[in-house]
Amino acid sequence: GAVVSQHPSRVICKSGTSVKIECRSLDFQATTMFWYRQFPKQSLMLMATSNEGSKATYEQGVEKDKFLINHASLTLSTLTVTSAHPEDSSFYICSARVVAPEAFFGQGTRLTVV
Amino acid sequence: GESVGLHLPTLSVQEGDNSIINCAYSNSASDYFIWYKQESGKGPQFIIDIRSNMDKRQGQRVTVLLNKTVKHLSLQIAATQPGDSAVYFCAENANSGYSTLTFGKGTMLLVSP
Repeated sequence: GAVVSQHPSRVICKSGTSVKIECRSLDFQATTMFWYRQFPKQSLMLMATSNEGSKATYEQGVEKDKFLINHASLTLSTLTVTSAHPEDSSFYICSARVVAPEAFFGQGTRLTVV
Repeated sequence: GESVGLHLPTLSVQEGDNSIINCAYSNSASDYFIWYKQESGKGPQFIIDIRSNMDKRQGQRVTVLLNKTVKHLSLQIAATQPGDSAVYFCAENANSGYSTLTFGKGTMLLVSP
């Protein structure tokens, strides 16, 4: 299957700082990427849909000014958590689509805000 | 046996047993379903999928059954192995376009040697 690489796999940051997470499709071009958030022992919750060259579509309740998404190329989408706080600590996962509706997932990023 | 934790139901089986993981999906318009396996600290891994025009599909050691009448999906794992221990999620897609996947709550499968 297609490979989606997410970086970093783990990050610890201080409260009030910003953190950028990258999601790359390694062997295919993805016009659409998705960002999920997952709390311990819970399911994946969609945060936003990222479309190359256009603004991301955010799910209800997700602050677009706090979770900045950029999809500048067909192989890269980034999620920036701005002014992070301890409650933003979570597992963030991206996925990318080649041909709908199949989706391939990255390895996830464990964010810890201290 | 099967138990329900605070957030995640757990299914405990012995190595070699057959496991059945169930999922109730929400949208009667969904036409595509996927089972994912997620190991601790990793992203979801595709296991098997099925389209709504089918009621059964088999892979290697896994079978997915779809009952559209009651909006129920199941994953059967034959001869369960300790390496199968993980959380399993079903996901549904509302149409064949670039719509999003909706994930179920997940079931933790624990396989004892």
